Amino acid sequence: QSVLTQPPSASGTPGQRVTISCSGSSSNIGSNTVNWYQHLPGTAPKLLIYNNNQRPSGVPDRFSGSKSGTSASLAISGLQSEDEADYYCAAWDDSLNGYVFGTGTKVTVL
Amino acid sequence: EVQLVESGGGLVKPGGSLRLSCAASGFTFSSYSMNWVRQAPGKGLEWVSSISTSSSYKYYADSVKGRFTISRDNAENSLYLQMNSLRAEDTAVYFCARVMGGAYSSSWFDYWGQGTLVTVSS
Repeated sequence: QSVLTQPPSASGTPGQRVTISCSGSSSNIGSNTVNWYQHLPGTAPKLLIYNNNQRPSGVPDRFSGSKSGTSASLAISGLQSEDEADYYCAAWDDSLNGYVFGTGTKVTVL
Repeated sequence: EVQLVESGGGLVKPGGSLRLSCAASGFTFSSYSMNWVRQAPGKGLEWVSSISTSSSYKYYADSVKGRFTISRDNAENSLYLQMNSLRAEDTAVYFCARVMGGAYSSSWFDYWGQGTLVTVSS
């Protein structure tokens, strides 16, 4: 089961700002870096944010990440229709000796 | 261009076995740790297994430990997942993904394949 907790859904109108939270513990987010992935059903997941707040080349600066203690968040500013997707946080877990993914958040553009 | 192409999925009966492959191209395969990640129907992403560059280190999710074996052939630029004693709950799309970064604690998956579907059903 997922050990990182995310809200199941988030929504906004075009142009709005949406924030997705990711809650973990001292063995994962509290001691390791957090990454975020965007996933459209039927496609390969895409890396969105790595090392808490770094954007790979090609990812718009509308996407930003942050981390504090045992929680992290992803913000999407200037929401666009193509941002409709599932979003997952992930981190290495020192206790499980493996990666853990968040429960996933479905973003809907109204 | 980095490419990861999974194959080997299909329909298998409970208790059966299947071997997944992931063909890598466009990068020096032997320099990167690799992973398998799966997504069951209607569910989220679940990490399955990781293997280091020289196969010295292998990690598994508790849900597959003792049943699945990850391996790689650096000469063939290929990653594998041997799945034994399959259960209905192993039904999922299986993705291979490249690991970027240093230690696992500060690493991420920068390239993913399109996935291969495994269905476990009688």
